[in-house]
Amino acid sequence: EDQVTQSPEALRLQEGESSSLNCSYTVSGLRGLFWYRQDPGKGPEFLFTLYSAGEEKEKERLKATLTKKESFLHITAPKPEDSATYLCAVRGRFSGGYNKLIFGAGTRLAVHP
Amino acid sequence: KAGVTQTPRYLIKTRGQQVTLSCSPISGHRSVSWYQQTPGQGLQFLFEYFSETQRNKGNFPGRFSGRQFSNSRSEMNVSTLELGDSALYLCASSLAPSGLDTQYFGPGTRLTVL
Repeated sequence: EDQVTQSPEALRLQEGESSSLNCSYTVSGLRGLFWYRQDPGKGPEFLFTLYSAGEEKEKERLKATLTKKESFLHITAPKPEDSATYLCAVRGRFSGGYNKLIFGAGTRLAVHP
Repeated sequence: KAGVTQTPRYLIKTRGQQVTLSCSPISGHRSVSWYQQTPGQGLQFLFEYFSETQRNKGNFPGRFSGRQFSNSRSEMNVSTLELGDSALYLCASSLAPSGLDTQYFGPGTRLTVL
């Protein structure tokens, strides 16, 4: 069964304490892995797209990496404004020829000063 | 470039009523997807439209329907509302359907069913 699992469900960090969020997937025919940030009551904000194993993308304190089975979102020296829910989504090829985007449940990150 | 816009932002309805939500994609984007987000189920795919045609559909009952207009704007309709339909409804647009394009989300419509 195609699915996307994110861990941990929630993460509490002190300001400056680096950590990583995990997104593992079992989707056949990967056609892209996406990371989004979502603040409460708002729509997800696009962060990164990764297409193939070994690929890395960086933006400010965030770095996303991809392997054949999982992706990591590394947060270096986080600040309180990095507090949000981080969503991972995987696009894969399903029967019937259609592609569908499957979202993980997200990781709620809280960064305390 | 303006982002994805959704109207209304908030809506309160009672059971049995119907509701129509609207989404205007980013200029030049022809694909629009709809999602339902709830605390228990997370983001669930509803359907995707491209060039006024439904390209893909999630596992939701027939009470949920949508359409897309020639200017790429999209509407989704929920008939005979149930309490469980209370959710944040998100619209996302992309340049092309079902491919490698990134989806950009709107702010959502918060629907409360009483």
